[in-house]
Amino acid sequence: KNQVEQSPQSLIILEGKNCTLQCNYTVSPFSNLRWYKQDTGRGPVSLTIMTFSENTKSNGRYTATLDADTKQSSLHITASQLSDSASYICVVKSGYNKLIFGAGTRLAVHP
Amino acid sequence: DVKVTQSSRYLVKRTGEKVFLECVQDMDHENMFWYRQDPGLGLRLIYFSYDVKMKEKGDIPEGYSVSREKKERFSLILESASTNQTSMYLCASSGTAGYNEQFFGPGTRLTVL
Repeated sequence: KNQVEQSPQSLIILEGKNCTLQCNYTVSPFSNLRWYKQDTGRGPVSLTIMTFSENTKSNGRYTATLDADTKQSSLHITASQLSDSASYICVVKSGYNKLIFGAGTRLAVHP
Repeated sequence: DVKVTQSSRYLVKRTGEKVFLECVQDMDHENMFWYRQDPGLGLRLIYFSYDVKMKEKGDIPEGYSVSREKKERFSLILESASTNQTSMYLCASSGTAGYNEQFFGPGTRLTVL
């Protein structure tokens, strides 16, 4: 069964600290993996997209990694800011053009 | 910038009412989608459309229908709202080129009493 699991479910960190969010998937065949950021009361917005051949991709303070062998991805946030408080959703696109969404990690950055 | 707009941010309806959720995109995208988002669950696809007047069932189409009379507009219809349809509804659109990124609207939080 195609699944995307994210951990932790929620996370609280202090402003300025780093954190890493995890995404494990069992989607096959694999096409690409995308991380979205969803602010409260808003729709998700894409942060990064990674294909099979990409190991690392950065977008400002956000760095995503992908290990296609172990079917794991992570999203690392550096020097967190209050505006990073949001839900982060991992989405895997299968080779059949279907998107499988993780349940998300809710991040709270406290001053 | 791609813009996807949804007709209401918040909506409160009564059980049995017919509910229309409207979505409009301004990027001439071929593909449009309706999802629902519930706590602890990933987004679940209700219906999608690859062209005008064309619709396909997603993973959870029961209790819903859709309409796409114009390319830029995709409507979700709850024929007879029920309390288990209380949820956040998200509309998205995508083109056919590149990675087909889906761009999402702000969502409609629907409460059925």
